[in-house]
Amino acid sequence: NAGVTQTPKFRILKIGQSMTLQCAQDMNHNYMYWYRQDPGMGLKLIYYSVGAGITDKGEVPNGYNVSRSTTEDFPLRLELAAPSQTSVYFCASAPPGQVTGELFFGEGSRLTVL
Amino acid sequence: TQLLEQSPQFLSIQEGENLTVYCNSSSVFSSLQWYRQEPGEGPVLLVTVVTGGEVKKLKRLTFQFGDARKDSSLHITAAQPGDTGLYLCVIQGAQKLVFGQGTRLTINP
Repeated sequence: NAGVTQTPKFRILKIGQSMTLQCAQDMNHNYMYWYRQDPGMGLKLIYYSVGAGITDKGEVPNGYNVSRSTTEDFPLRLELAAPSQTSVYFCASAPPGQVTGELFFGEGSRLTVL
Repeated sequence: TQLLEQSPQFLSIQEGENLTVYCNSSSVFSSLQWYRQEPGEGPVLLVTVVTGGEVKKLKRLTFQFGDARKDSSLHITAAQPGDTGLYLCVIQGAQKLVFGQGTRLTINP
């Protein structure tokens, strides 16, 4: 069972470059999320989506964009990479309609901006 | 803004010892989840607690939800090296989940 799949696992970018982190889930979950985790910290929500065609900002959306054209995919785009975006990025998904639903996380994408 | 504070931030103990870590909120919450994150992996759900005073056990792990629904604790009995990881508590905020900063636990053989 694939669950939530993130690519790439590691990436080094130069300041000003752009890239897209890919996230796909095969569990038919409506809810999908992007988090970033800085060293020694918990997770901060970047963007989330409650279904195809619907996205919304989280706590720290600046410098990022998302799209949700299908239920399965939720890519995260960095347009002009900055050193402050060096972090580990986690994609997660959850089924709808559960107040205390479980989040299913990918393995993370470690991004370094130099 | 609802805040979650976890303590201690770091804990390093010997195999076989017992430990307790804590999660405290600035306000009442309806439910709380504990996740464990191992190095190089995403967080994995351990338990969800929803009732004030609730106690749940998962093998050597005991989770308690405070009576006032503002705090929770995780107690590990006879810690094993496999318990090493980052323990995160999570509550349901207004429109999103709120994560604590985590307790990084290291169990030394």
